[in-house]
Amino acid sequence: EVQLAESGGGLVQPGGSLRLSCVVSGFSFSRYWMSWVRQAPGKGLEWVANIKDDGSEKHYVDSVEGRFTISRDNAKNSLYLQMNSLRVEDTAVYYCGRGSVARDSWGQGTLVTVSS
Amino acid sequence: QSALTQPASVSGSPGQSITISCTGTSSDVARYNLVSWYQQYPGKVPKLLISEVSKRPSGVSDRFSGSKSGNTASLTISGLQAEDEADYYCCSYTSGGTVLFGGGTKLTVL
Repeated sequence: EVQLAESGGGLVQPGGSLRLSCVVSGFSFSRYWMSWVRQAPGKGLEWVANIKDDGSEKHYVDSVEGRFTISRDNAKNSLYLQMNSLRVEDTAVYYCGRGSVARDSWGQGTLVTVSS
Repeated sequence: QSALTQPASVSGSPGQSITISCTGTSSDVARYNLVSWYQQYPGKVPKLLISEVSKRPSGVSDRFSGSKSGNTASLTISGLQAEDEADYYCCSYTSGGTVLFGGGTKLTVL
């Protein structure tokens, strides 16, 4: 069974940092593109970043470029999102997922709240 | 990176068919056959309904179908059921390797 489990969310002040993790099981992690998608409270889905299976290619939405870094450790079946210089508008549930455009498996999400 | 354009809401009666549109540009929907559709119930994780414009993953009802013409993709739900009441999102690959979602459409089953 494919499983994805995010962790690392929480309350942080504007300008602060958080590192999200996503541990996966049930599939060959190193063979898939992975991505992060977020959803602000009461709002729609927003793609944040994706990373190629071997980590050699990464892409970001303009609003997080230069502040967020996506990475992966294929030996640990883990995906990460380092978030720096956080803003109030980054408040959202962050979902990791298998795939990029066609995300066929999603984690349950982790809530990031940026507030003073 | 502007979001793909979807109607905010659509509605239909049980048994009817409805179509949700998703309008992009020549840099995304029109250029690539990499459009997906997701269904999301309130408080739940989104579920993939359609990938690559018209492919249904295993387990997805054949009442859901996807298509594309030019810069507009469409999701059609036939034989509408009460359980179809949910939010629906389109998603497309874009030039440069990024991904765009639509703003979402709330489907109400009357």
